[in-house]
Amino acid sequence: KNQVEQSPQSLIILEGKNCTLQCNYTVSPFSNLRWYKQDTGRGPVSLTIMTFSENTKSNGRYTATLDADTKQSSLHITASQLSDSASYICVVSGRGGSQGNLIFGKGTKLSVKP
Amino acid sequence: DTGVSQNPRHKITKRGQNVTFRCDPISEHNRLYWYRQTLGQGPEFLTYFQNEAQLEKSRLLSDRFSAERPKGSFSTLEIQRTEQGDSAMYLCASSTSSTGNTGELFFGEGSRLTVL
Repeated sequence: KNQVEQSPQSLIILEGKNCTLQCNYTVSPFSNLRWYKQDTGRGPVSLTIMTFSENTKSNGRYTATLDADTKQSSLHITASQLSDSASYICVVSGRGGSQGNLIFGKGTKLSVKP
Repeated sequence: DTGVSQNPRHKITKRGQNVTFRCDPISEHNRLYWYRQTLGQGPEFLTYFQNEAQLEKSRLLSDRFSAERPKGSFSTLEIQRTEQGDSAMYLCASSTSSTGNTGELFFGEGSRLTVL
């Protein structure tokens, strides 16, 4: 069964600290993996996409990694800001599949405290 | 580009009533998607359209749910005979064919349904 598991479920950190969110997936065949940020009461917004051949990609203070062999991805946030408080959702797309093959994780809820 | 617009943003209804949500996608996007999200969960796929054609429906979309996109622009999602289990955020997203194929969807802010 195609699944996306994220950990931790929730995380509280102090402003300025770094954190890493994890995503493990069993989706096969694999096409790509996206990290979305969802502010409370808002729709998700794409942060970054990782394809099969990519290992690391940065978008400002966000760095995503992908290990396609172990089917794991991480999202590292550097020097966190209060505005980083949100849910971060890992979404895996199956290759050649339908739109229903976008498998969403449950998300990690990050709270950044002053 | 005004983004994906959904309304109403909030709807409170009594069990058994019908509700309808509307989604206006980004104007040049030919694909439109409906998702449902409950607290602490990721979005669950309901259905999607390419232009006016409904190309896929999830098994989650029971016969009480119907979605339309009559002119290939805006879409409506109707829930008949609402049940308390229908309480959720209903998210609409849009994309072009190319961005959709890479999994990049542009989401609206959602319509939150509360069934009493």
